[in-house]
Amino acid sequence: DTAVSQTPKYLVTQMGNDKSIKCEQNLGHDTMYWYKQDSKKFLKIMFSYNNKELIINETVPNRFSPKSPDKAHLNLHINSLELGDSAVYFCASGNPQGRSYEQYFGPGTRLTVT
Amino acid sequence: GNSVTQMEGPVTLSEEAFLTINCTYTATGYPSLFWYVQYPGEGLQLLLKATKADDKGSNKGFEATYRKETTSFHLEKGSVQVSDSAVYFCALIQGAQKLVFGQGTRLTINP
Repeated sequence: DTAVSQTPKYLVTQMGNDKSIKCEQNLGHDTMYWYKQDSKKFLKIMFSYNNKELIINETVPNRFSPKSPDKAHLNLHINSLELGDSAVYFCASGNPQGRSYEQYFGPGTRLTVT
Repeated sequence: GNSVTQMEGPVTLSEEAFLTINCTYTATGYPSLFWYVQYPGEGLQLLLKATKADDKGSNKGFEATYRKETTSFHLEKGSVQVSDSAVYFCALIQGAQKLVFGQGTRLTINP
């Protein structure tokens, strides 16, 4: 059973389009995250949600809108895609309230904007 | 703010060589420290962790010790294998519960 899953794995689209990436976790965690990995492999947090409530918004352009329908899902919608949005996007989940601070990552979604 | 600095890669070693990847951090208080590994084409996997000073995390032959006095969490392995080839990330977490990553170190092991 996959702990944190993301769809799609690859996403190729043109500038100006709107796209979504879905994430689901079956670990029973309360908190979910989106991270962005750029072409140099640098990883940076974008958002975190705890039990459907936004906790962290790390100065991400408002073209990016996370949506959490329930605590097991955190989707990322991106409007008006730009070339600079090309990256690998990772979803993660964790349970910081339980004082176990590790986070578990999905396989990533490679977004290519042409 | 909090930050993590790793030794620059890439690092290339022969099989059975000794590995050290340096990691230092800047943070107030006592963050939790992690090493994550990313194999080619895959997501990040937690390799090991330490949550307080002098803790030693270990997994799959890898070890790292939380050194408060030197603000370091260096990754070591006594005898590397070709299958250890990957990108290794040092990270910390504190307070707001967001992982702060180092820049990653690409490791290649030649047979």
